[in-house]
Amino acid sequence: QQQVKQSPQSLIVQKGGISIINCAYENTAFDYFPWYQQFPGKGPALLIAIRPDVSEKKEGRFTISFNKSAKQFSLHIMDSQPGDSATYFCAARGSSSSNTGKLIFGQGTTLQVKP
Amino acid sequence: DGGITQSPKYLFRKEGQNVTLSCEQNLNHDAMYWYRQDPGQGLRLIYYSQIVNDFQKGDIAEGYSVSREKKESFPLTVTSAQKNPTAFYLCASSIEGRTSTDTQYFGPGTRLTVL
Repeated sequence: QQQVKQSPQSLIVQKGGISIINCAYENTAFDYFPWYQQFPGKGPALLIAIRPDVSEKKEGRFTISFNKSAKQFSLHIMDSQPGDSATYFCAARGSSSSNTGKLIFGQGTTLQVKP
Repeated sequence: DGGITQSPKYLFRKEGQNVTLSCEQNLNHDAMYWYRQDPGQGLRLIYYSQIVNDFQKGDIAEGYSVSREKKESFPLTVTSAQKNPTAFYLCASSIEGRTSTDTQYFGPGTRLTVL
């Protein structure tokens, strides 16, 4: 089965610090890598996404770094704030010809930012 | 106010009973999805539908059934055949469900507890 492996399972960061969450994938047919943010009792919401033709994408304090040869990608949260405390999921998706567009999710990382 | 609604927010069921979870969207999206979320695990796809009157099994369809009679509605029935139904259920929709960059938007979820 196609997999996306995410680490760490949980992360505690001081306010103002950098939060880093890593993901690795196996299927080279994946060509879209979104990150979702989920607050307790809510549904996930798209945070930022990247295609493999770029090595980095930045939106505000959130940056995705992508290493195609290593089949790894990571989320960096700069200047982490208590309001960033949530569960983060990486995901991967291929073109419709390879897997009918199904999103494959990582296991999730629970981030706690201490004030 | 556009979005995805799921009802009820909390649902309790006795063993051996079937129960139906509601999902409605007014985003005019063609594709709809059902995911199951368990603690410490990523989201797992139960069923998805890319067009009215058509749906496909996801990775964990056993013990579940769906229908897609209307574009805006995609109810999920958890049957008594589902061995471990207690979980958080998330419905999502996307514009067309075929291309890899087609963003999925999630509803607020239904927490099902089997007593």
